[in-house]
Parts: sequence; C-alpha cells; structure tokens
Amino acid sequence: KNEVEQSPQNLTAQEGEFITINCSYSVGISALHWLQQHPGGGIVSLFMLSSGKKKHGRLIATINIQEKHSSLHITASHPRDSAVYICAVDGLRKLVFGAGTILRVKS
Amino acid sequence: GEEVAQTPKHLVRGEGQKAKLYCAPIKGHSYVFWYQQVLKNEFKFLISFQNENVFDETGMPKERFSAKCLPNSPCSLEIQATKLEDSAVYFCASSRDRSYEQYFGPGTRLTVT
Repeated sequence: KNEVEQSPQNLTAQEGEFITINCSYSVGISALHWLQQHPGGGIVSLFMLSSGKKKHGRLIATINIQEKHSSLHITASHPRDSAVYICAVDGLRKLVFGAGTILRVKS
Repeated sequence: GEEVAQTPKHLVRGEGQKAKLYCAPIKGHSYVFWYQQVLKNEFKFLISFQNENVFDETGMPKERFSAKCLPNSPCSLEIQATKLEDSAVYFCASSRDRSYEQYFGPGTRLTVT
C-alpha cells in the first residue's frame, strides 16, 4: 500500500461543476501540499496546510489530521483548471507524493 | 531571483555518458530539494540541502548520482554513466525554511538513448 493515496485517478467534469479530489495518507506528517502540474509540465504549489481549511479563489483545501485525509475542492470549474493535481505529504525531511489526479474540464 | 531556475531545459545523453543539471534557488531560500519524475505522475525524492549541507539524501542512488550546493553557485545534480532508466524530468524546489512551502523550478528533461 502506498503511503499517499489519491482518488480518483482520472476525473472528467463539465464546466461549472463542483469538483472534489481526495488524498489519504498513512504516515505522520508535518504538513500536506496540494500541487498543480500543467499540461506543459510546470508545477505550481496551490496549498500547504497542517490543519483546518484554506481558500484561494475558487480552490478550497481541507485536512483532517485525525483521519489522515485531505480534500481539494474546485468550485465553478473551468476548462483552464484541466491539469494534474498532486497531493504530497511532508514527513520528517522530505515530500512523499501521491500518484496524481488527472482532471479534464469540458466546456 | 524570484523564481527557481533550472538549466538546461532538455538534455540528451547516450547511455554511459555523464549528465549534469543545475538549479538556482530563489534568493534567500535556504533549502533546496531535488525530485525525479519518471512517468508522468510519479515523483521520487532524491536529495535535499540546507544551504551547502546535505539535509537528507535517502532517495539518492549513490553509486552514480551526486549533488552539491556550494556558496555563490547554482546547485548541481550529476549522474555518472547514465542508464536508460534515468530518463525523467528532474525538478528542483526551494523553500525559505523547513516548514515553508516549496517553489518548484520548470524542470530539466533528461533523455538517455
């Protein structure tokens, strides 16, 4: 079993839909990161959180430390949100990555 | 600079040749991390530095991989005697401190033929 599990692996949504991507982990962490990798390969850090909830524009990230679970939500999705979304947990000294969720938003 | 810079963008090497990749972290950031992305979505941690000191090297295949971060120079990742399985995109990231978010560079695509 991988230390970081993401679901779903692939997600196709219609423009405007509310999207949820889930991340579960099995190790102790100091923080959890949500990253976005564009089709061109560039990586953008969306959130780093260690408790509660953070919001940035149409993106919301939550984490439940007791349940070792985090979710990334996208409200009013748009085709430009199409990308790979990666959950990475910060253990003692390094990031451990999930396999990523490939999101495609159709107009 | 305000962005992590990586050079070159692309690197092609014949099997057995040496490959050297460079990373300039954001000015003022004291931590540098190297990651390898082999398949489209599989990231593997290689090594991290706190300034010029190795912080964690548990991900490094030590026989052929080495890395340095020297003062006033870009950090480097060197692969001696490249193998086909070293073909990947190598990302560098930097952070201000251990508990701050990491900023990623654009990556170097290494192709070993």
